[in-house]
Amino acid sequence: RKEVEQDPGPFNVPEGATVAFNCTYSNSASQSFFWYRQDCRKEPKLLMSVYSSGNEDGRFTAQLNRASQYISLLIRDSKLSDSATYLCVVNKGGNDMRFGAGTRLTVKP
Amino acid sequence: GEEVAQTPKHLVRGEGQKAKLYCAPIKGHSYVFWYQQVLKNEFKFLISFQNENVFDETGMPKERFSAKCLPNSPCSLEIQATKLEDSAVYFCASSQGTKTYNEQFFGPGTRLTVL
Repeated sequence: RKEVEQDPGPFNVPEGATVAFNCTYSNSASQSFFWYRQDCRKEPKLLMSVYSSGNEDGRFTAQLNRASQYISLLIRDSKLSDSATYLCVVNKGGNDMRFGAGTRLTVKP
Repeated sequence: GEEVAQTPKHLVRGEGQKAKLYCAPIKGHSYVFWYQQVLKNEFKFLISFQNENVFDETGMPKERFSAKCLPNSPCSLEIQATKLEDSAVYFCASSQGTKTYNEQFFGPGTRLTVL
């Protein structure tokens, strides 16, 4: 079993749609969680951290469920510019980070 | 520098040849990470360093891959006797490493093509 698992997609949604991605992780001792965004073979960049209480940044909402060991990302009112690959990242401790394979999103006009 | 720098941008090697990739972390960052991303988006951790010391090498295919981070030099990832399946983009990242978590900042990657 992979340490971090994501549905690879692709998710194809119209502009304005709401889309949600899930990610599961295997190590129950994992300490922190993140979503990174990667555009078209460029380097990944941090989108947002994920906290137990859930956190929101504009149209993006991230949730963590430690009991079920999954993380989610919700994007509301999708824009064309949201088209990218979203990488779920789990910090096992210290700086020991593990990346999921990514979920590809395409937002269409 | 202010950004993670990786060289070269592209590297083409024939099967069996050696490939060497370089990474200069952001100044002041003490952790360096190498990742391999193949065509299907699989993002694989290879190795990490804390300054010049190996921190975690659980992802390294030890037979042909080696890496170093020496003082006052760019970090390097070397592949001896490349194989077709080594074709991938190799990303380097760095972080400050002073807290439980520090954001990893990625370089633009080196695209290795093995023919």
